[in-house]
Amino acid sequence: GAVVSQHPSRVICKSGTSVKIECRSLDFQATTMFWYRQFPKQSLMLMATSNEGSKATYEQGVEKDKFLINHASLTLSTLTVTSAHPEDSSFYICSARDFSGGPTEQYFGPGTRLTVT
Amino acid sequence: QKEVEQDPGPLSVPEGAIVSLNCTYSNSAFQYFMWYRQYSRKGPELLMYTYSSGNKEDGRFTAQVDKSSKYISLFIRDSQPSDSATYLCAMDFWGYKLSFGAGTTVTVRA
Repeated sequence: GAVVSQHPSRVICKSGTSVKIECRSLDFQATTMFWYRQFPKQSLMLMATSNEGSKATYEQGVEKDKFLINHASLTLSTLTVTSAHPEDSSFYICSARDFSGGPTEQYFGPGTRLTVT
Repeated sequence: QKEVEQDPGPLSVPEGAIVSLNCTYSNSAFQYFMWYRQYSRKGPELLMYTYSSGNKEDGRFTAQVDKSSKYISLFIRDSQPSDSATYLCAMDFWGYKLSFGAGTTVTVRA
């Protein structure tokens, strides 16, 4: 299957700072990328959908000014958590798919664990 | 009410046992039903998917969908310690904007 990478794999930051997480599709062009967050022992919650070259679509309840998403190229999407607070500590996972691919061709990254102190 | 309900377990079984996992859902428009496996601190990987109702078998894994009851299942036969992971069901109408269950943590004891 195709490979999606995330960087960093884990990050610790201080309250009030901003953190950028990168999601890359390594061997295919991802016209659509998704960002999820996952709390311990809980499900993946979709935060936003981003299509290359256009603004991200955020799910209800997700603050778009706090979670900035940029999908500037067909292989890279970034999630920036601005003015992070301890309640933003979570596991953030991206997934990517090629628009021409079928529903099974959505590949998940390994996740980024964010801890805000 | 959550759109997708899944018992988080945990579930512990001896090696060789059959593992039975299930989810219920409320949105009758869902057409694609997936099962993902997630190891600790890793992203989910697709195990099986089914379109609409019916059964699908892949090696030791069998996925079942009963749309009339809004109920899906995953069975793992001859379970191995390497099957120890969290299993998440996911579903959608189009198959890509997925609604996930909470995940069931499975431990297979050697």
